[in-house]
Amino acid sequence: GENVEQHPSTLSVQEGDSAVIKCTYSDSASNYFPWYKQELGKRPQLIIDIRSNVGEKKDQRIAVTLNKTAKHFSLHITETQPEDSAVYFCAASSGGTSYGKLTFGQGTILTVHP
Amino acid sequence: NAGVTQTPKFRVLKTGQSMTLLCAQDMNHNSMYWYRQDPGMGLKLIYYSVGAGITDKGEVPNGYNVSRSTTEDFPLRLELAAPSQTSVYFCASSPVPWGTSNQPQHFGDGTRLSIL
Repeated sequence: GENVEQHPSTLSVQEGDSAVIKCTYSDSASNYFPWYKQELGKRPQLIIDIRSNVGEKKDQRIAVTLNKTAKHFSLHITETQPEDSAVYFCAASSGGTSYGKLTFGQGTILTVHP
Repeated sequence: NAGVTQTPKFRVLKTGQSMTLLCAQDMNHNSMYWYRQDPGMGLKLIYYSVGAGITDKGEVPNGYNVSRSTTEDFPLRLELAAPSQTSVYFCASSPVPWGTSNQPQHFGDGTRLSIL
């Protein structure tokens, strides 16, 4: 089955700096890669996703890049703000007979210091 | 439009007791999923369903059962609760139908379950 590795496990940045979180996946058939943000005690919330036919996607301060050959994808947050502090999870899914099943990474605790 | 609703929000059980975690969605989504999240960890898939009457095992199904009699509801049952099942349980739904490209999953607020 699919295996998703996420790094780093913790990331501390100053407000205004950029933050990058990286994930690798094992199943070359994976074609959908969402990123979720989870605040303490809350539900995971989708912040951005990318499909395998796209190399990069941006939404304001957030961007995701995908390298299918190397089987890794990354989340980039620019101009970080204290409210970006949360746990971020990457995930992968192979569509088709996987019926939308997601395999999650272990999570990255992002702390943005004012 | 409430999205995905989970009940209860918190529950404490004794070892050997049974209970059902409820999940309902009002978005007419075909697919529904149950995950567990242990402290400091990612989410692991327990069971999923791609439509009424269809369920299948995920990564960690042992000790759990599910049913899907309607599109809206996807309850998760613990028959003989064990301390190892102490976790936060999240239900999610997605419009993805059979054999097509993935769509985002929408999560409920979770059920925090402690088993003593």
